[in-house]
Amino acid sequence: DQQVKQNSPSLSVQEGRISILNCDYTNSMFDYFLWYKKYPAEGPTFLISISSIKDKNEDGRFTVFLNKSAKHLSLHIVPSQPGDSAVYFCAASGNSGGSNYKLTFGKGTLLTVNP
Amino acid sequence: NAGVTQTPKFQVLKTGQSMTLQCAQDMNHNSMYWYRQDPGMGLRLIYYSASEGTTDKGEVPNGYNVSRLNKREFSLRLESAAPSQTSVYFCASRSLPTGRQDGYTFGSGTRLTVV
Repeated sequence: DQQVKQNSPSLSVQEGRISILNCDYTNSMFDYFLWYKKYPAEGPTFLISISSIKDKNEDGRFTVFLNKSAKHLSLHIVPSQPGDSAVYFCAASGNSGGSNYKLTFGKGTLLTVNP
Repeated sequence: NAGVTQTPKFQVLKTGQSMTLQCAQDMNHNSMYWYRQDPGMGLRLIYYSASEGTTDKGEVPNGYNVSRLNKREFSLRLESAAPSQTSVYFCASRSLPTGRQDGYTFGSGTRLTVV
């Protein structure tokens, strides 16, 4: 049973346009959400996060939106750049500060930004 | 640079052979994790160690054992490798408790092929 779902395996956008990556979750105990970016042959790197007490968090070109009632979050990248081309993983946790903190990941979405 | 170091980067095993994947972090983090990444499956948690001296099973622990040797090191052992364990393995660490909201720091991965 997949608790974190990224239903789009891939997304292609033009440079300068907006990229929107979506993520759904089923576990209502999740209270902390993160996005990771992964280039080939490298480990994932943290991008941006959001706590369930917020509905939006912004960091430069990256904004994450959280809709708790719909159990849905999205990552917006504006404007998109070719260097943003990577696999993006959505992740969630139900214990952001506790000793049993661990992340559950989605399957990832491959973003391609075309020049 | 500070971070998570994994060795080896690549390994080919024959079915039935054993090996240990090594992971070390120099950030004084409390928690450490082992994930595997398979095509179309995202990142799945194998084992984790919330603190030195403790280990717990994750989502896919069968066929693996772990040792939290000290605060810095967390190893993953395959006692009798099987082709189904062909994967890319990532080690990660996190400081706990923390007010930072940046999730894990990942190593660059070990690509394991079992023939």
